[in-house]
Amino acid sequence: EAQVTQNPRYLITVTGKKLTVTCSQNMNHEYMSWYRQDPGLGLRQIYYSMNVEVTDKGDVPEGYKVSRKEKRNFPLILESPSPNQTSLYFCASSLLATPDTQYFGPGTRLTVL
Amino acid sequence: AQSVTQPDIHITVSEGASLELRCNYSYGATPYLFWYVQSPGQGLQLLLKYFSGDTLVQGIKGFEAEFKRSQSSFNLRKPSVHWSDAAEYFCAVDVYSSASKIIFGSGTRLSIRP
Repeated sequence: EAQVTQNPRYLITVTGKKLTVTCSQNMNHEYMSWYRQDPGLGLRQIYYSMNVEVTDKGDVPEGYKVSRKEKRNFPLILESPSPNQTSLYFCASSLLATPDTQYFGPGTRLTVL
Repeated sequence: AQSVTQPDIHITVSEGASLELRCNYSYGATPYLFWYVQSPGQGLQLLLKYFSGDTLVQGIKGFEAEFKRSQSSFNLRKPSVHWSDAAEYFCAVDVYSSASKIIFGSGTRLSIRP
């Protein structure tokens, strides 16, 4: 089944404790991105990747890191999480970097205490 | 700066009634336009998209949307809603240059009255 998977789905952590949220897609998509969803703000793009080893900042990249060592995986790294990073995070992928349908993962709800 | 506005935060309609969700965008050129739906606890799913051509586009689940360049709008419509349409709806714009850059509206939550 074609899908985008994220792990974990739920995470409660404490300020400053490094964490990684994994994202994997099995559709051989070139383009992957991370969003955070906050009430009243919709989805805001954190980082995106056009292909392996090609990443760039979205609208809200501060406090986050990403890497794209393999085409299928695009992990989101919070090296020192803070409470303002409490949010619902979505990974998405599309076949091409040009305008295309985004396929979304199920989301990761992160709480930073 | 590019932006997407969904002026209605929450809409309630009766089952069987018609629906229109509003979306306005601010962008210098013709953007690529999308509507996504998010059911409770789920990720987002594409309803429909407009890239070019016929300005009235059909999507899944009986939804349609009309691109009006003069009004910078891309409103979503459905002639008769079902209880299963209760969800949050997001309008999105892809202001593609060297790569996709997608801007989402803040969403409209749709409730269905039995």
